[in-house]
Order: sequence, then C-alpha cells, then structure tokens
Amino acid sequence: GAVVSQHPSWVICKSGTSVKIECRSLDFQATTMFWYRQFPKQSLMLMATSNEGSKATYEQGVEKDKFLINHASLTLSTLTVTSAHPEDSSFYICSATWSGEKLFFGSGTQLSVL
Amino acid sequence: GENVEQHPSTLSVQEGDSAVIKCTYSDSASNYFPWYKQELGKRPQLIIDIRSNVGEKKDQRIAVTLNKTAKHFSLHITETQPEDSAVYFCAASKANQGGKLIFGQGTELSVKP
Repeated sequence: GAVVSQHPSWVICKSGTSVKIECRSLDFQATTMFWYRQFPKQSLMLMATSNEGSKATYEQGVEKDKFLINHASLTLSTLTVTSAHPEDSSFYICSATWSGEKLFFGSGTQLSVL
Repeated sequence: GENVEQHPSTLSVQEGDSAVIKCTYSDSASNYFPWYKQELGKRPQLIIDIRSNVGEKKDQRIAVTLNKTAKHFSLHITETQPEDSAVYFCAASKANQGGKLIFGQGTELSVKP
C-alpha cells in the first residue's frame, strides 16, 4: 500500500524559533499533499493544499507567513512553523494522494512550544 | 463550502453489539465519502469508502450506506470487538478538488468487553 512518512514525530522548541516538518510519499508520486492541524479530541482541520512546483493554497484563517509550505518535488512537502509560540502547539499531520481521491496520512508530528 | 456533521460524538457499546455512526453533508456535488479510524496518537487509517454512484458497500464487519437524496451516510460496525475502540471520522470530497477532504467532528467509540 501507499506509504507516507512524516518527520519528526515529535519536537519541542523554544518560543520564537522555527520548526520544519517533512512529509514524504515513499512509494508513489503525490500529485497533491495536504497539511492538517489536530487538537486533542478534535477533528482534523485542513490548513493548506500543496501542489508540486506551485504555491500552496491556504484555508481561510490560516496565516501563510506563519505556516510556510514548500512542495519541492512530487514526493516531498515541508511545513515550517515560523516564530513558534505556545499557541502553535498541536498535532500536525500531512496526507498525500496520487489519485486525487484516496488520501494516505503521515504519522503526524506533535509540536510543543515552550 | 462543504460542511460535514457527525453524530454521535461518543458511543459506548458492549462487545458483540453493533455500532452506527451517522454523517450529513451539505454540498450535493460531493461524490466521495471515506471513513477513517484513528487510534490515540496515530495516523488516520482508511477503513472503507463509498462513491456517490453506490448506495451501500460492505467489507466483513464494516459497512457504509449512502443516501444521496438526504445527503447522509452512515458507518455500521457489527460484532464489535475491543480493538474497534478508536475515534472514527467521516469525510466528504468532490471531483476536481485534488482530494481535498472535509472531515466530520469525529466519534469516539468505546467497546466494552
């Protein structure tokens, strides 16, 4: 089956620093990747849609300068949380698709900002 | 835009009983409806999906039904087992959106032995 790798699985950082999260499709070329944020016991909130070689499309209310997305190749997308603050602490998860229908999820990244 | 409502938010059943989770969607153009199971701290796993040209789909103990007219779809789990305990999410998407899914709020299913 399709495998999506996400790293790191958890990260602790100081307030004001930036954190980069990687999402890789290991055995397929992903036409599109998505980034979500999930609070404890809540649903997945779509942050942005990422297509290779083009600018990401952000959902309403998501600050594009805060959450930088780069989709450098058909197998790699990165999310950088810039100048992180405690309120950015959350579970971030990516997903990828080649079919434009079935999504395969990464294992998620738990971010804690001190 | 699309809005997906999911009920109930929590569901507790005895082992061996059936569990039903219901979702409604707002956009009649939505045509793909997957269900995901997420265990604590882990990634969502696709357990079953249905397309709008089908009314029902079954895979062993899991089934999904779709009523396009009413714009609702349901997940049915029969003969529940403790390992079915998890959070279940429904979602909806439409063609030409590149796979963009809108998720329901989730249902925390607890199966008591």
